[in-house]
Amino acid sequence: DIQMTQSPSSLSASVGDRVTITCRASQSINKWLAWYQQKPGKAPQLLIYNPSNFESGVPSRFSGSGSGTEFTLTISSLQPDDFATYICQQYSDYPWTFGQGTKVEI
Amino acid sequence: QVQLQESGPGLVRPSETLSLTCSVSGDSVNSGSYYWSWIRQAPGKGLEWLGSLYSTGTTDYNPSLKRRFTISVDTSKNHFSLKLSSVTASDTALYYCARGKAAIVGAPVFDYWGQGTLVTVSS
Repeated sequence: DIQMTQSPSSLSASVGDRVTITCRASQSINKWLAWYQQKPGKAPQLLIYNPSNFESGVPSRFSGSGSGTEFTLTISSLQPDDFATYICQQYSDYPWTFGQGTKVEI
Repeated sequence: QVQLQESGPGLVRPSETLSLTCSVSGDSVNSGSYYWSWIRQAPGKGLEWLGSLYSTGTTDYNPSLKRRFTISVDTSKNHFSLKLSSVTASDTALYYCARGKAAIVGAPVFDYWGQGTLVTVSS
């Protein structure tokens, strides 16, 4: 299975900060990566895939980049609604696997 | 608006079979090119894809489940179901159903999710 490793596992930030989260794959996944946002007690919500195609309704302050084994999710100016856990998913090879998540907190 | 809702027992005894159902509204389980899927999250752990049912009836399963897992669909009720046999405590998790859409041919990202249902395996 392809292992997905996210860093950091958590971070503290303030409203207005630029935040970058990294997801590394144990082998090349081309550009086949998605990012999800998960809030406490809620299901994950798809943000970005391929890895820079936005899901409908996702604010433009979110952006994704990367290819091969290293990917980043950037929030250009953190907003109060963005405090959540962010999870990456690879869909390059079976079984589809997810990262452990990065919790963004105040 | 597509909505998914899981239902099933919250407690299952070890060695028994876990059965969950995902009711879908706002879409049809046999239309379009979607992957009707099950994903779980064990306490303190990450998400684990369990398997998907494609609209054509093809199924894909995570090999880690060692053939204990089955997805089926009931188009008359517009729902799909999960059966996981021979459960152990390690199958205790929050189980989500989700709709996958093809990000690339043959590979899904999950755009709609149920709220999740907690299943505990214990005697």
